Amino acid sequence: QLQLQESGPGLVKPSETLSLTCTVSGGSISSSSSYWGWIRQPPGKGLEWIGNIYYSGSTYYNPSLKSRVTISVDPSKNQFSLKLSSVTAADTAVYYCARMFADSYYFDFWGQGTLVTVSS
Amino acid sequence: DIQMTQSPSSLSASVEDRVTITCRASQTISSHLNWYQQKPGKGPKLLIYAASSLQSGVPSRFSGSGSGTDFTLTISSLQPEDFATYYCQQSYSTPFTFGPGTKVDIK
Repeated sequence: QLQLQESGPGLVKPSETLSLTCTVSGGSISSSSSYWGWIRQPPGKGLEWIGNIYYSGSTYYNPSLKSRVTISVDPSKNQFSLKLSSVTAADTAVYYCARMFADSYYFDFWGQGTLVTVSS
Repeated sequence: DIQMTQSPSSLSASVEDRVTITCRASQTISSHLNWYQQKPGKGPKLLIYAASSLQSGVPSRFSGSGSGTDFTLTISSLQPEDFATYYCQQSYSTPFTFGPGTKVDIK
């Protein structure tokens, strides 16, 4: 059974860069049938897709965040990562990593999520 | 971007009730529509993909239908563990977008 676990600081100062890592276990991040994605959810609000990455390094970003987002993958560690620059309070959210099945583009495995608060 | 709307935004229902949630896309998305269930403090769980395909392990009381712009999620007999928030998501084109959610609570 595939499992994903987010890790990273829970508090980030305004204007700094948010950095999170997702560790995948129970399967290979180099699977040709998988994209690896980040989704966020502000407290009490809905879900927003941030972006996806393929094991080859190809990336797909939400245009609303594209100028500030970088997603990278490290197949040797079975991990992928999110960097979001120039954060503001509006970036406070629970951040989820998830596996997207490449054939039909649905998220079938999710991490438990990690709350990142942007505050000085 | 494709905008997703859901109705109702919330509903109150009793155990064993039949519940229907509607999702509408701002343009045609064929059958590229997925449904998720989210409980407080947890990540979303995939219920239905490609509009009507039941994800493995999901009870058969959940079903999905629709194509084009209009979709429905039906719970045929609501169980206590089904009280949660339900989201639709279009997978037709990037940016992938979610509906605002429908919260199902106990009457």
